[in-house]
Amino acid sequence: GAGVSQSPSNKVTEKGKDVELRCDPISGHTALYWYRQSLGQGLEFLIYFQGNSAPDKSGLPSDRFSAERTGGSVSTLTIQRTQQEDSAVYLCASSFMRGETQYFGPGTRLLVL
Amino acid sequence: QKEVEQDPGPLSVPEGAIVSLNCTYSNSAFQYFMWYRQYSRKGPELLMYTYSSGNKEDGRFTAQVDKSSKYISLFIRDSQPSDSATYLCAMAYNFGNEKLTFGTGTRLTIIP
Repeated sequence: GAGVSQSPSNKVTEKGKDVELRCDPISGHTALYWYRQSLGQGLEFLIYFQGNSAPDKSGLPSDRFSAERTGGSVSTLTIQRTQQEDSAVYLCASSFMRGETQYFGPGTRLLVL
Repeated sequence: QKEVEQDPGPLSVPEGAIVSLNCTYSNSAFQYFMWYRQYSRKGPELLMYTYSSGNKEDGRFTAQVDKSSKYISLFIRDSQPSDSATYLCAMAYNFGNEKLTFGTGTRLTIIP
């Protein structure tokens, strides 16, 4: 059984460029979550999807960040006009339904130069 | 001040020792408490999950919650080199824990 997968595993970009990060949740999981892990900051909640809708976007740090989920499956996190402070590991998790155990992917390591 | 405080370590102990990992928190609304283990360059994996105050044991691992002190602990008995990882505490306000609040993680090394 495949776990949560994320791509790319590593991404280096120049300041000001846009990036797209992809998450493939475990098949059948209806809930999907994005977190950001920075050095010394722990995991920071970004956004939560139930199906294709996002009831809680409260963690998105600015309007440069957006996310969508299509077909109740794959999700894309987009960061526009990247800044150096966006450098972090972006983790995706999924759960069978709201309230169930969250299973994490390996993350995408983003470095903004 | 962060809602959840966790000593980042690093913590090094000899194989076979008992390890104690701790978190404190400031918001008494937290009801659900979790411990995750994260190996290098991997995503976190859930180790223990407890509701409200009390103890929960699973093999070599014991999770303890003291809501009156806003303090949670994870104990690892008979520690093994394979336990070397970063341990993160996490908390949620209610069932449907879609928004977890994490500590910064404690990096643990078990020395053979």
